[in-house]
Amino acid sequence: RKEVEQDPGPFNVPEGATVAFNCTYSNSASQSFFWYRQDCRKEPKLLMSVYSSGNEDGRFTAQLNRASQYISLLIRDSKLSDSATYLCVVNRGGSYIPTFGRGTSLIVHP
Amino acid sequence: DAGVIQSPRHEVTEMGQEVTLRCKPISGHNSLFWYRQTMMRGLELLIYFNNNVPIDDSGMPEDRFSAKMPNASFSTLKIQPSEPRDSAVYFCASSLEVGSGRNEQFFGPGTRLTVL
Repeated sequence: RKEVEQDPGPFNVPEGATVAFNCTYSNSASQSFFWYRQDCRKEPKLLMSVYSSGNEDGRFTAQLNRASQYISLLIRDSKLSDSATYLCVVNRGGSYIPTFGRGTSLIVHP
Repeated sequence: DAGVIQSPRHEVTEMGQEVTLRCKPISGHNSLFWYRQTMMRGLELLIYFNNNVPIDDSGMPEDRFSAKMPNASFSTLKIQPSEPRDSAVYFCASSLEVGSGRNEQFFGPGTRLTVL
């Protein structure tokens, strides 16, 4: 099993739709979790950290399920500008060395 | 803040040549990471420094790759000799302090390397 796994997509959704991505991780000792966004031919940028209690930032909600070892990202009311690749990041158990997932591609169409 | 600065932005070289990539982290950040991104393998961590000291270089592909961080504001990644399979985008990232519990990373714009 890979350390961090994501469905590569693409997820093709209309504007205004709600879309959710999951990311599974293999090391139960992992402590820090993040979602990054990467636009085509650009660098990854932090979208949001994922806290144990779940957290929300505008249209974006991130959740952590330690028992099942996955994190999720929910995007409500999708905008055309949300089109990007979303990367899941999990820090290796026992350290803070990050492991990136391969990313999930989202395409929002009019 | 200027963010993480990388140079060059693009590099085209011939097989066998030496390539040096440069990175200036965000001032005050104590941790620096070098990544390589390809379509086939995604984003791979090559090496990570904390307070200028290499902590984990297990991602460095082979002896042809080397990285240094002579001071807190500068790091290099060198490939010698370069091969076509080294073609990729190389990112440098810095974070405030690994171990602080948050350690969000800030990425530079990347160097797009093509080895012919």
